Amino acid sequence: GAVVSQHPSWVICKSGTSVKIECRSLDFQATTMFWYRQFPKQSLMLMATSNEGSKATYEQGVEKDKFLINHASLTLSTLTVTSAHPEDSSFYICSARDRTGFIRNEQFFGPGTRLTVL
Amino acid sequence: LAKTTQPISMDSYEGQEVNITCSHNNIATNDYITWYQQFPSQGPRFIIQGYKTKVTNEVASLFIPADRKSSTLSLPRVSLSDTAVYYCLVLPTFNAGNMLTFGGGTRLMVKP
Repeated sequence: GAVVSQHPSWVICKSGTSVKIECRSLDFQATTMFWYRQFPKQSLMLMATSNEGSKATYEQGVEKDKFLINHASLTLSTLTVTSAHPEDSSFYICSARDRTGFIRNEQFFGPGTRLTVL
Repeated sequence: LAKTTQPISMDSYEGQEVNITCSHNNIATNDYITWYQQFPSQGPRFIIQGYKTKVTNEVASLFIPADRKSSTLSLPRVSLSDTAVYYCLVLPTFNAGNMLTFGGGTRLMVKP
C-alpha cells in the first residue's frame, strides 16, 4: 500500500514551453501533497505544500506564478512549470501524506520526474 | 525543526554491517527520528522511525540513546543494492505543516 505515482517519469521540452507533472496517490487519500526539487548531487528542496481544495503554500524563493500547483482532489496534485528555461531542468519529486497517518508523520514519495529543458 | 548532522559519505563492502550516525542536539520532546533512503533518480523511501532506545524492522535497526541527541541507523550485511543516500530527519508529531526538511544526507557506497 501507500503508493505514489508521477507522470511523466521524464520529459524533454524546448525553452519557453510549459510542462505539467502529475502526482497521484494510488491507494490512499492525501489531504496534503508536497513538491520537491532536486539538482544533481544535492538534497531535496521543498518547493511548495499543496492542500486539497486550497491554494498551495510556496517556500521562500519559489515563484508561484512560474510553478503552478493544483490539488483538486484527494488523490491528484499537478505541478505546471510555465515558460520553462534550462535552469528549471531538475528532478521533481512529489510526496503525499496519508490522511490517516497523522501521528507517524510519514510521507510517501513518488518516483520523481526528470525535466530537461533545451 | 531540529537540525541534523550526518557524514557526507561512507564506503563499505558487501556483507559488512554499516552504521550511520546522525546528530540532532536540539531535538524536542515530541520529535521522532526518521530515516529515508534514496536511490539515484528515485524518490526517497521511508526506512525506519523511532523515538527512543531501539527499533528494528526487516530493513534496518535504529539505535537512540537516552538523551536522544543522536541516533544510529544500522544496516546489517549490506549488499551492492544498498548503495544510496540515507537521510536522517527529525520530525515533530502533530505538526500541521508536516513538511520534511532534508539535510545533505549520507552517500553510502557499497563495494564488492
